[in-house]
Amino acid sequence: EPEVTQTPSHQVTQMGQEVILRCVPISNHLYFYWYRQILGQKVEFLVSFYNNEISEKSEIFDDQFSVERPDGSNFTLKIRSTKLEDSAMYFCASTPGLARYEQYFGPGTRLTVT
Amino acid sequence: RKEVEQDPGPFNVPEGATVAFNCTYSNSASQSFFWYRQDCRKEPKLLMSVYSSGNEDGRFTAQLNRASQYISLLIRDSKLSDSATYLCVVRSGANNLFFGTGTRLTVIP
Repeated sequence: EPEVTQTPSHQVTQMGQEVILRCVPISNHLYFYWYRQILGQKVEFLVSFYNNEISEKSEIFDDQFSVERPDGSNFTLKIRSTKLEDSAMYFCASTPGLARYEQYFGPGTRLTVT
Repeated sequence: RKEVEQDPGPFNVPEGATVAFNCTYSNSASQSFFWYRQDCRKEPKLLMSVYSSGNEDGRFTAQLNRASQYISLLIRDSKLSDSATYLCVVRSGANNLFFGTGTRLTVIP
């Protein structure tokens, strides 16, 4: 069964450093998402991406964040200057279409900012 | 006001028990409703979609009450493998999902 993959599984970085989290969505999917989950809290929407541009973003997704689909398979989330409060699990998701389609989540990248 | 509210639990039930989870959502324009399951430190996985007429999948039954903005999940004959956090999820407007904080279930032998 096709699945969303994410790398790395765990990233440790120092405050102020840039990080890039990588995702490979399911190959025939067209819509891509990033969510985050701070330990012990709910999953929160960050951004959605379609047709090589951002469709929607939340208040969390400020100027420190950016997304990119650099080639036909990868979908990346960049955090320019990490803060302690960016420590969280970051999930990538993809779906073939809108509305009734299930969003398939990757296994997540645990980001720890020290 | 939170988009989606759930009782965080925990619910500790014996094997074979029936357990019910409830959820309310704030946006009356919400269009799609789901229950996801999340195991510890894992990604959310879709358990079932929730339809207006109610729907059943084996031991799991989901109900939606649009007038009350209320969603429920019933698990019958609980198994040890049902132990997880159950997430109430709502899609409003665009395609992004709003998650509740989750209800933790532990099924005890």
